[in-house]
Amino acid sequence: DMKVTQMPRYLIKRMGENVLLECGQDMSHETMYWYRQDPGLGLQLIYISYDVDSNSEGDIPKGYRVSRKKREHFSLILDSAKTNQTSVYFCASSVRDRGSQNTLYFGAGTRLSVL
Amino acid sequence: KTQVEQSPQSLVVRQGENCVLQCNYSVTPDNHLRWFKQDTGKGLVSLTVLVDQKDKTSNGRYSATLDKDAKHSTLHITATLLDDTATYICVVGDRGSALGRLHFGAGTQLIVIP
Repeated sequence: DMKVTQMPRYLIKRMGENVLLECGQDMSHETMYWYRQDPGLGLQLIYISYDVDSNSEGDIPKGYRVSRKKREHFSLILDSAKTNQTSVYFCASSVRDRGSQNTLYFGAGTRLSVL
Repeated sequence: KTQVEQSPQSLVVRQGENCVLQCNYSVTPDNHLRWFKQDTGKGLVSLTVLVDQKDKTSNGRYSATLDKDAKHSTLHITATLLDDTATYICVVGDRGSALGRLHFGAGTQLIVIP
């Protein structure tokens, strides 16, 4: 059963604290993503990783960094979290399907509140 | 500026009724369009992908159309069930590969009542 697992599911932090969000996938997918989802907005891409140590900024990378030391794990790090980073964070991995389109498999999300 | 607009923003239907969700976009190029279902508190699950200039797909009670000339897609849900209650998200990809960018709509929240 193909799965993307995110930990933790819920997290409350104080402004200025460091935050580590973990993501794992058991499908050996090369490409992994971190998105954030805010009310009334579409998902926004923070970072994309094409494989181990091959990471690229997405549309909103400021205030975030990532780490991918193993293909199956992709971490999102917030150094000194800010209140505007309160959001739901989704990790995804991808594989090609019909017509060579990239199908994304999403985790269940991490709801982060920064107080 | 939002490049993927979904309507309606929310929709309430009675179980057994049919419904249609709309997606208009301005993304160029528009390689493919995908519809996702997102249950409350869960991740997105792909329902279908549309690729051709004028495309149609069917997946059980879900069917979708794409018209790239009009940059418009519809998602039809037939004989709705309570479990169809979810947010439906339209996503346009500007390339087929992972090198492309995905443009997400804000979603249509569908509520199915008994």
